[in-house]
Amino acid sequence: AQSVSQHNHHVILSEAASLELGCNYSYGGTVNLFWYVQYPGQHLQLLLKYFSGDPLVKGIKGFEAEFIKSKFSFNLRKPSVQWSDTAEYFCAVSNSGYALNFGKGTSLLVTP
Amino acid sequence: DTAVSQTPKYLVTQMGNDKSIKCEQNLGHDTMYWYKQDSKKFLKIMFSYNNKELIINETVPNRFSPKSPDKAHLNLHINSLELGDSAVYFCASSQDGLGWSEQYFGPGTRLTVT
Repeated sequence: AQSVSQHNHHVILSEAASLELGCNYSYGGTVNLFWYVQYPGQHLQLLLKYFSGDPLVKGIKGFEAEFIKSKFSFNLRKPSVQWSDTAEYFCAVSNSGYALNFGKGTSLLVTP
Repeated sequence: DTAVSQTPKYLVTQMGNDKSIKCEQNLGHDTMYWYKQDSKKFLKIMFSYNNKELIINETVPNRFSPKSPDKAHLNLHINSLELGDSAVYFCASSQDGLGWSEQYFGPGTRLTVT
């Protein structure tokens, strides 16, 4: 079955720590990959996306993600997190258009 | 300027009632969506419309009926509300339905059924 898996459901980091959130998918064929963020009380916003080209993509607020086709992975990274990065992070995949299939999300808490 | 707006933001109602949630986008997009986010924050597609035509209906109970009067609006009507319908409902839009198009999300409507 097609699915999107996010390995870490809850992550707690101190400010300035490095972040890596895992995302794996099980779709055949061409996929388009996204990371969305939901800050407390706000709507989802796009952090970054990949659909072709350089597998290392850079997004907003210092985030980046690497697409590794052989591992069906699209992990999100940030070298140094800030308190303002506290949010829910969602990996999403689209392979046929018209809908995003989301992972179950990772709740990130950054402590001062 | 709000790109994707939803009303109401909060909706509290009793079981068995019928309610509607409205969504409007001013981005000129062709495709609109409804997603449901459950209490565990899991987001799942419910419907997708492209140019007012239904494209996706993800095994949603037929108590849920989307209506798209024009391509800028996609409303969600829910009949005979049940406790399990309690969730946050997000509307979204994209330029087209192609897989690489960014989806823009509304602020969500928190529905509580008592």
